[in-house]
Amino acid sequence: EIVLTQSPGTLSLSPGERATLSCRATESVSSNYLAWYQQKFGQAPRLLIYGASNRATGIPDRFSGSGSGTDFTLTISRLEPEDFAVYYCQQYANSPPWTFGQGTKVEIK
Amino acid sequence: EVQLVESGGDLVQPGRSLRLSCTASGFTFGDYALSWVRQAPGKGLEWVGFITSKTYDETTDYAASVKGRFTISRDDSKNIAYLQMNSLRTEDTALYYCTRGNFLFDRWGQGTLVTVSS
Repeated sequence: EIVLTQSPGTLSLSPGERATLSCRATESVSSNYLAWYQQKFGQAPRLLIYGASNRATGIPDRFSGSGSGTDFTLTISRLEPEDFAVYYCQQYANSPPWTFGQGTKVEIK
Repeated sequence: EVQLVESGGDLVQPGRSLRLSCTASGFTFGDYALSWVRQAPGKGLEWVGFITSKTYDETTDYAASVKGRFTISRDDSKNIAYLQMNSLRTEDTALYYCTRGNFLFDRWGQGTLVTVSS
């Protein structure tokens, strides 16, 4: 089972700042089958990024994903007020079980 | 508009059973795999299992933590997917989300709460 570790646990930033979130896997995620989800308080998660770097439908271009192998990054270029939320990475490489990271909370500084 | 609506969550005693439903609309239900993902209170996301479409033989797979106790099924004539949960444990307490897809989850319901407690 691939274990995903996200860092930092909490990121305290101001609107307009850049956010950089990390997701590290215990083994290589083949074909970069790595996704990112956003979950706002009291809401269901929303798919942001798939295939490590592809934005899902309707996702603003301030969200970008990068990385390969075992190290992946989600970058929010300029934080908007609605971006303060918890972000999860998820791998879907090879075969189940699909696993999620423990989440990074982006909070207002 | 794609919608997934879960129902059936409840307070149940350990060892009992419960069946959750996921009613879909806004897309061709039979063409898609469906998955269940759960979230314990204040915790992260955990994949529970999936069922593929009839085209792929309605194949199912489950997380080790629920294998042998949980079963996913679907009724394409009603646009409903089910999660049958048997031998429930306190650690199964969570908000259960129905999601579209079997490995990448592009639409989510709002979840239904299952509490397992004596």
